[in-house]
Amino acid sequence: VQLLESGGGLVQPGGSLRLSCAASGFIFSSYAMSWVRQAPGKGLEWVSSIGGNTDTTYYADSLRGRFSISRDNSKNTLYLQMHSLRAEDTALYYCAKGSSGTYGEAAFDVWGQGTKVTVSS
Amino acid sequence: DIVMTQSPDSLAVSLGERATINCKSSQSVLYSSNNKNYLAWYQQKPGQPPKLLISWASIRESGVPDRFSGSGSGTDFTLTISSLQAEDVAVYYCQQYYSIRRTFGQGTKVEIK
Repeated sequence: VQLLESGGGLVQPGGSLRLSCAASGFIFSSYAMSWVRQAPGKGLEWVSSIGGNTDTTYYADSLRGRFSISRDNSKNTLYLQMHSLRAEDTALYYCAKGSSGTYGEAAFDVWGQGTKVTVSS
Repeated sequence: DIVMTQSPDSLAVSLGERATINCKSSQSVLYSSNNKNYLAWYQQKPGQPPKLLISWASIRESGVPDRFSGSGSGTDFTLTISSLQAEDVAVYYCQQYYSIRRTFGQGTKVEIK
């Protein structure tokens, strides 16, 4: 089971970025997937989640409207589209797999190595 | 949102001694219909992603040493490392998955005294 994030980088305030997470080793469509971020030297912050075979999405209240999560089950890939980026969005963004097929009963049992997003002029 | 508060923020324990980390949620994460606590514990070593240690408040993940144990119910939970090893130096986080908006505790840093 493996998760490999990509798409991070340096972006100016107000800019956009799309993160990807390529999954392998499990039936991707059967599990909810999530994004969790960690600002430099700080703790973990849940960003967003999406159901397995459904389009049900969930967002942290502070991010709603700027970030959009999606998935392509045919490509075993999870995405996070980020708009109107701010300095406080600077963080390592992790992709995480749900531990259960049901989002409501899922902790995060597999994590990627993360992709770094830096928002700065 | 459910607020998760861990204590202490850091602790230093001698090798072989017990380490205890507490986690308190602002509302119960016990689902009465199935009597399950929607609480997980993670370990994060420097430069690594978090690792799930315990789910359902007390169920160890496969491969996690039995010196790690979780207990508690409702709003108060504990992670115990019964005999601290050098490889246990890390930051530990609790997390609730009772709410669709997941939240983590602020983390507890465990070091060797």
